[in-house]
This record gives sequence, C-alpha cells and structure tokens, in this order.
Amino acid sequence: NAGVTQTPKFRILKIGQSMTLQCTQDMNHNYMYWYRQDPGMGLKLIYYSVGAGITDKGEVPNGYNVSRSTTEDFPLRLELAAPSQTSVYFCASSYSHISSSEAFFGQGTRLTVV
Amino acid sequence: DAKTTQPNSMESNEEEPVHLPCNHSTISGTDYIHWYRQLPSQGPEYVIHGLTSNVNNRMASLAIAEDRKSSTLILHRATLRDAAVYYCTAINAGGTSYGKLTFGQGTILTVHP
Repeated sequence: NAGVTQTPKFRILKIGQSMTLQCTQDMNHNYMYWYRQDPGMGLKLIYYSVGAGITDKGEVPNGYNVSRSTTEDFPLRLELAAPSQTSVYFCASSYSHISSSEAFFGQGTRLTVV
Repeated sequence: DAKTTQPNSMESNEEEPVHLPCNHSTISGTDYIHWYRQLPSQGPEYVIHGLTSNVNNRMASLAIAEDRKSSTLILHRATLRDAAVYYCTAINAGGTSYGKLTFGQGTILTVHP
C-alpha cells in the first residue's frame, strides 16, 4: 500500500507564479485534507473534502483552490504565489471523521516562494 | 477547541518505558483525545486515540484520567526510532470540526542509546 502520495517533494516558485500540488491516496478514504505547517508551528487546515465532488474551506483558504473529481485525488492549486505561502504542505486522508479515525499523512511538499 | 498543554521536552533511555503527559482541562464530552508524532522532515504519524476508556495498540497505550482532564501516552519500550515530537490534541466530533487537527508545541522526545 502506498498510502498518501504527494508530489513534488520540493519546489521553488517566484512571486506571482502558480502551481498545483498533487495528492493521491489508495486507501479508498472519503475524507481528505490539505494542511500547511510553518517552521516550529502546528498544522493549519487549508481545505478539506468529505467525498468526491465535495470540498470546503478550512482555517486558511485564501490564495488556494482545490478540486475533488475522484475519491483518490485531491490536488491543491496555488494561484499568484506570495512569500507568505512559503511553508510545508501536507495532504492527509481518513476513513471517517477525523475525530474518531486515524489520519494518514503524506511526506509533504516543501514550498519556497521567492 | 480544548487547549492542550504538554512538557516541551522529555528524555528516555532505550528499552525503558516512557510516559508522555498531556493536560486538556477544558475538554468537552464529545472531544476525542488523539496523539500523533512527527519525525524531522516527515509528515505526522498517527499513534493512538481514545474517548473515555484506556486504549492499547501495537505502538502505544493511552491512559485517560477519569475526569478526562488529562491523559498519558505510554511507550512501553522506547527505541531510537521513537525519537520525535509528540502531539496531543483534542478533536471534537461535532459537524463543524472536519479536519481541524490542531497541534500545539508538542513534546520533543529524546531517546538515548
């Protein structure tokens, strides 16, 4: 089982550029999430999805967009990158609501905006 | 969301038990207690969770106080691979908390050979 796979692992963007962070899971989980983690800090929820075709904003959605056309994939789109988006991005999935379920995380994408 | 408080750091020797405490005095009745850990440059890894009763799994045990205001993660025999930052968090089962996984500063566990 591959679990949750994120690509790329590292990326450097220039201010104003756009990119898509890919996330795929092979566990048939309905729930998927995108988080960012700034140095020495905890996780902040960007977007989440409770199933294919359903997405909703988390705590810090500004500057990002997501889509969920299949159960497996949950890409995160950054439009007009800004230095404030320099962070490590984690995708995660869970079988059911995260309160009563184990969340599986990807290895992360380290993004630097210069 | 319930605020959690953990010691900044703890140390242990290899093959000894480790007890990692967490205080969550404002926890509500529908908050599940979760523990995750994170190794450097890796994603968080689930360790264990529980609601009221003590829980055991292949990685650890979770002891929850009777009043639920505190809990303790128990690693029965620490190994060098257990060296990580351990996060305790309380996650509400309510409908508005989808995905909200709030980590505090966590406890840095150092394991000595």
